[in-house]
Amino acid sequence: DQQVKQNSPSLSVQEGRISILNCDYTNSMFDYFLWYKKYPAEGPTFLISISSIKDKNEDGRFTVFLNKSAKHLSLHIVPSQPGDSAVYFCAAKRSRGPDKLIFGTGTRLQVFP
Amino acid sequence: EAGVAQSPRYKIIEKRQSVAFWCNPISGHATLYWYQQILGQGPKLLIQFQNNGVVDDSQLPKDRFSAERLKGVDSTLKIQPAKLEDSAVYLCASSLSGSPFEQYFGPGTRLTVT
Repeated sequence: DQQVKQNSPSLSVQEGRISILNCDYTNSMFDYFLWYKKYPAEGPTFLISISSIKDKNEDGRFTVFLNKSAKHLSLHIVPSQPGDSAVYFCAAKRSRGPDKLIFGTGTRLQVFP
Repeated sequence: EAGVAQSPRYKIIEKRQSVAFWCNPISGHATLYWYQQILGQGPKLLIQFQNNGVVDDSQLPKDRFSAERLKGVDSTLKIQPAKLEDSAVYLCASSLSGSPFEQYFGPGTRLTVT
């Protein structure tokens, strides 16, 4: 039972353009969402998060949008840079109760010059 | 600030052998997590410690996996005996108590079982 889904295994974007990574979830109890970035041979690194009381959170070039009714969130990277090339994981959790992060399967982003 | 340390980085063993992984969390982080990441999948939580007590081990295959966190700092994860399907990257993460939303990950140990 995949509670967090990232349906696009890969994405290729030209440098300077916008990258949009998508994530869907099925558990309506999730109320906190995070994006992690992972380079090869390294552990995931926290990127940005959003609480369900918001529908947008911005941090520099990174913006996360949350659509609770659709159980969908997206990560926008503008402008995309070659250093953004990595695997991006969406994760979800409940702010109360079990502390467990549920991860999606990841999307590999490649930003080319 | 030093990050989460893990060793070894790579390990190759034959099935039915045993293996152990070590993790040293960020200083002051009371919560420690072990994740298993199989190729092509996201990390899956195996066990969570709060100080030296287990908070969640519901997805730990207890017939072959064990973990401990003595003195509430370092932790070891053991597999005995290993199976082919245990081939994965084992990630350790830590977080501050009371601030569980952001977990800091170590580089992981890549285990190959042949």
